[in-house]
Amino acid sequence: DTGVSQDPRHKITKRGQNVTFRCDPISEHNRLYWYRQTLGQGPEFLTYFQNEAQLEKSRLLSDRFSAERPKGSFSTLEIQRTEQGDSAMYLCASGRGGPGELFFGEGSRLTVL
Amino acid sequence: KNEVEQSPQNLTAQEGEFITINCSYSVGISALHWLQQHPGGGIVSLFMLSSGKKKHGRLIATINIQEKHSSLHITASHPRDSAVYICAVRANSGGSNYKLTFGKGTLLTVNP
Repeated sequence: DTGVSQDPRHKITKRGQNVTFRCDPISEHNRLYWYRQTLGQGPEFLTYFQNEAQLEKSRLLSDRFSAERPKGSFSTLEIQRTEQGDSAMYLCASGRGGPGELFFGEGSRLTVL
Repeated sequence: KNEVEQSPQNLTAQEGEFITINCSYSVGISALHWLQQHPGGGIVSLFMLSSGKKKHGRLIATINIQEKHSSLHITASHPRDSAVYICAVRANSGGSNYKLTFGKGTLLTVNP
């Protein structure tokens, strides 16, 4: 399968713990996005990478959130000291070249108890 | 007011019915996407369009740039079409022309 893959698909954690999600984009896609989706809402933009450069980070993200894309391939999204409000689906998407079609992963669902 | 508004929020139809989902937006855009999301989270891109009309199988998407409005039509609907349909736009101004702004989605249920 050469689609966008995310891991883990579901993470249950206790408040205060750190969690990390991984996204493997489609090979040769230079654009990579992280979105967050809560129940009944559309996805909200979190951050964007072009190759290894993080070009924008949403004001929705507190300092507890950090994302990386070393070498411009896979990306990680880490949430430190999780809070119940962080419970959501975290979606990764990738695309090639200029603005164009995006391909989404299946998402990583976070539940903070 | 959200930049992207979809209607209806929920839609129930009988198998075989013609379905229309609407999307209105308030910003200038370079492209509009229609996406499908099934329970469990995965999102599939259906269409990306910047003008006119596109057709893929039983799905048709249209856009009117002047009216800032797009519609997604499903002909001969089937229970497997049941999903959330999401409209998303890419703004054409400022430095944010690389990211999508999403509507809240329309939950479609097609009954047999």
